[in-house]
Amino acid sequence: DAGVIQSPRHEVTEMGQEVTLRCKPISGHDYLFWYRQTMMRGLELLIYFNNNVPIDDSGMPEDRFSAKMPNASFSTLKIQPSEPRDSAVYFCASRLWEGNTDTQYFGPGTRLTVL
Amino acid sequence: AQSVTQLDSQVPVFEEAPVELRCNYSSSVSVYLFWYVQYPNQGLQLLLKYLSGSTLVKGINGFEAEFNKSQTSFHLRKPSVHISDTAEYFCAVSNTNAGGTSYGKLTFGQGTILTVHP
Repeated sequence: DAGVIQSPRHEVTEMGQEVTLRCKPISGHDYLFWYRQTMMRGLELLIYFNNNVPIDDSGMPEDRFSAKMPNASFSTLKIQPSEPRDSAVYFCASRLWEGNTDTQYFGPGTRLTVL
Repeated sequence: AQSVTQLDSQVPVFEEAPVELRCNYSSSVSVYLFWYVQYPNQGLQLLLKYLSGSTLVKGINGFEAEFNKSQTSFHLRKPSVHISDTAEYFCAVSNTNAGGTSYGKLTFGQGTILTVHP
């Protein structure tokens, strides 16, 4: 398996622009997580899905952020409009819950810079 | 709510020396515990995890960790480090319900940067 795939790997945009980050989870995994990593706040869980349904979005910072999972093999995280404080590395992770095999597999991340 | 505290932000050590990275957690319910490693410009990779059973857990790359419920700790150890172990290490916790099912929500510590010097 290719692992969790994220695109783009790097994104540089200007304040006010819409940004869309993409994630393809590992085939067969039933959970998908979006995290954000910054120097100030460390790794934060933004939202997670189970069987394509959003379960907990309490970590989404504000209404400018939205996430969707239209099918089991694709998810997007959208920021509209983007602001400089959104600059961070965004990770997607997927997980297959099978009793005691609780492991999240992380993608390589998307480094977002908002100017 | 749960929280994770990694007691050292940076740990410098010489090659072939032993190392311990400290992690304490707080939670009102049972937890699963994890250590992840992040190499520069990469995603996180699972080193080891404690779900149940033996409190001494062995992981990849020669790392091990011991779950201590009374001290709410899950310290990571390696008896002899290598230059290639230089990375940032994250301790994480997820809550479980009475049936042992994890909700999957990971709470991470702030990370410990391990630097191995020749």
